[in-house]
Amino acid sequence: GDSVTQMEGPVTLSEEAFLTINCTYTATGYPSLFWYVQYPGEGLQLLLKATKADDKGSNKGFEATYRKETTSFHLEKGSVQVSDSAVYFCALRLTGNQFYFGTGTSLTVIP
Amino acid sequence: DTGVSQNPRHKITKRGQNVTFRCDPISEHNRLYWYRQTLGQGPEFLTYFQNEAQLEKSRLLSDRFSAERPKGSFSTLEIQRTEQGDSAMYLCASSPRSGGPGDTQYFGPGTRLTVL
Repeated sequence: GDSVTQMEGPVTLSEEAFLTINCTYTATGYPSLFWYVQYPGEGLQLLLKATKADDKGSNKGFEATYRKETTSFHLEKGSVQVSDSAVYFCALRLTGNQFYFGTGTSLTVIP
Repeated sequence: DTGVSQNPRHKITKRGQNVTFRCDPISEHNRLYWYRQTLGQGPEFLTYFQNEAQLEKSRLLSDRFSAERPKGSFSTLEIQRTEQGDSAMYLCASSPRSGGPGDTQYFGPGTRLTVL
């Protein structure tokens, strides 16, 4: 079935380190792909999205490229900050209205 | 635009009791979703409304669960005869009318249910 597999956490990085959180998907069609972020004590917020192959989503210094050939949508940031500490969820949406979320990756950035 | 709101934020109940949660979406968002999230997991889709019509339901939604959106605005999710396995965070999300593949869902803060 349709699903998303995320890199397991937790991930701990020092400030200004490079971040990669892996996400791969299984889907019968051509999904739209999303990264959501959940800051401590807050609800899920959209971070970025891509709706077709080779699209790059970007926001707040984060980027992810929709790679159809590897069925991946890895999240990257060149230099993380303490304020980036949160849980990150990869998600996909097919032609219906169901979103499929990964299990989430917890990121802690230490000064 | 005050965002998606959910009430109550926390609910503790005894096994066998019924509970009802409310979600108020962003005004003029015609699409509304309910999800369940357990510790260490991502949100799992439960059901979807377009205006007042419930168009999709997950097989996770047992007969004890019912959701309504009577006037196409707020929605309620009721769980009858609660079980300990129902303990989770229940999330509501809404999205606007455009209906495109990249539609963004705006999530509420969730209602945390604890069944004793």
